[in-house]
Amino acid sequence: SAVISQKPSRDICQRGTSLTIQCQVDSQVTMMFWYRQQPGQSLTLIATANQGSEATYESGFVIDKFPISRPNLTFSTLTVSNMSPEDSSIYLCSVDSGTAFVNEQFFGPGTRLTVL
Amino acid sequence: GENVEQHPSTLSVQEGDSAVIKCTYSDSASNYFPWYKQELGKGPQLIIDIRSNVGEKKDQRIAVTLNKTAKHFSLHITETQPEDSAVYFCAASITNTGNQFYFGTGTSLTVIP
Repeated sequence: SAVISQKPSRDICQRGTSLTIQCQVDSQVTMMFWYRQQPGQSLTLIATANQGSEATYESGFVIDKFPISRPNLTFSTLTVSNMSPEDSSIYLCSVDSGTAFVNEQFFGPGTRLTVL
Repeated sequence: GENVEQHPSTLSVQEGDSAVIKCTYSDSASNYFPWYKQELGKGPQLIIDIRSNVGEKKDQRIAVTLNKTAKHFSLHITETQPEDSAVYFCAASITNTGNQFYFGTGTSLTVIP
């Protein structure tokens, strides 16, 4: 399985500011995903990030609020813009297995965000 | 779209007993069903998965069963140990459709020593 790291691991931010979260993988992967996990809740997909194309956002998430970059096959960033306390969550990136049509996803350790 | 329900939301068992977590899904086209374990402060870890062409899969103390007709699948943990305490999530997806995973709501398992 891929080794995935995220930076920062946690942060406390002020309302109205933005935070960029980085996701680094130790191998090339086709698909990377960004999830939000609110306290005590399940995982909700924010967007799918493929290298060389615009990210695909799920219902309820927009690019202006969560811009995503995917400059190469091992790296992606998610920015949480103009933050409010409701954005306090764990943000997780995941990657597919790298094997066509296998479907396995592996998750990073998460970024724990608190907005004051 | 797919809807995955998971029960129970919390589960406490004595060490050495078995634990069973159940999930149902709505989309009969779903064909891949992974289970994740999430320990406090960590990301979800894939522990076992099953595909729709298989009815049961085992890996040491962990097993998963799938009933396609009834559209439900279950995680079975035998001989539970305190280190099994965590939140467990089931998920369903359709292969070859962008890897969209639909997650259950999670089960908080506590193994009492």
